[in-house]
Amino acid sequence: EAQVTQNPRYLITVTGKKLTVTCSQNMNHEYMSWYRQDPGLGLRQIYYSMNVEVTDKGDVPEGYKVSRKEKRNFPLILESPSPNQTSLYFCASRPGRGIEKLFFGSGTQLSVL
Amino acid sequence: AQKITQTQPGMFVQEKEAVTLDCTYDTSDQSYGLFWYKQPSSGEMIFLIYQGSYDEQNATEGRYSLNFQKARKSANLVISASQLGDSAMYFCAMREGQDGGSQGNLIFGKGTKLSVKP
Repeated sequence: EAQVTQNPRYLITVTGKKLTVTCSQNMNHEYMSWYRQDPGLGLRQIYYSMNVEVTDKGDVPEGYKVSRKEKRNFPLILESPSPNQTSLYFCASRPGRGIEKLFFGSGTQLSVL
Repeated sequence: AQKITQTQPGMFVQEKEAVTLDCTYDTSDQSYGLFWYKQPSSGEMIFLIYQGSYDEQNATEGRYSLNFQKARKSANLVISASQLGDSAMYFCAMREGQDGGSQGNLIFGKGTKLSVKP
């Protein structure tokens, strides 16, 4: 089944403890992206990647890192999480630069205490 | 300035009636795409409908249609014959640039929460 898989689904952590949210897609998509969703703000893009080893900042990249060593994986790294990073996170992918829709993962609800 | 504006934070509709969710956008690109996504309480993002800027006809997908008014830069979602399962958050989104012109990132509005009353 074609899908974008995020793990974990829920995560509670403490300030300053490094964490990684994994994202994997099995559709051979070139483009992958991370969004965060906050009440009243909609979805805001954190980072995106056009292909392997090609990443770029979105609208709210501060406090986050990403890597794209393989086409299928696009992990989101929080080196030193803070409470203002408590949010619902989505990974998404699409084939390339066309007009194709984004395929979303099921989301990761992160709480930083 | 916001690129995607959804002016209705919340809306109610009676079951079996039609409802229109508003979306206006701002872009100077000639080529762009407009999307609507549904997010039920379970949290997943479900693609509903797409409209390209060069498409002359309004997009339709089952009970969903997109009322595209290019001159007014509006892309309203119309849901016909509302069902209880339509209760959800709805997001309008835009992708600027189509072929090779930009990275084509999707920009989302803040969403409209639709509640369908029995």
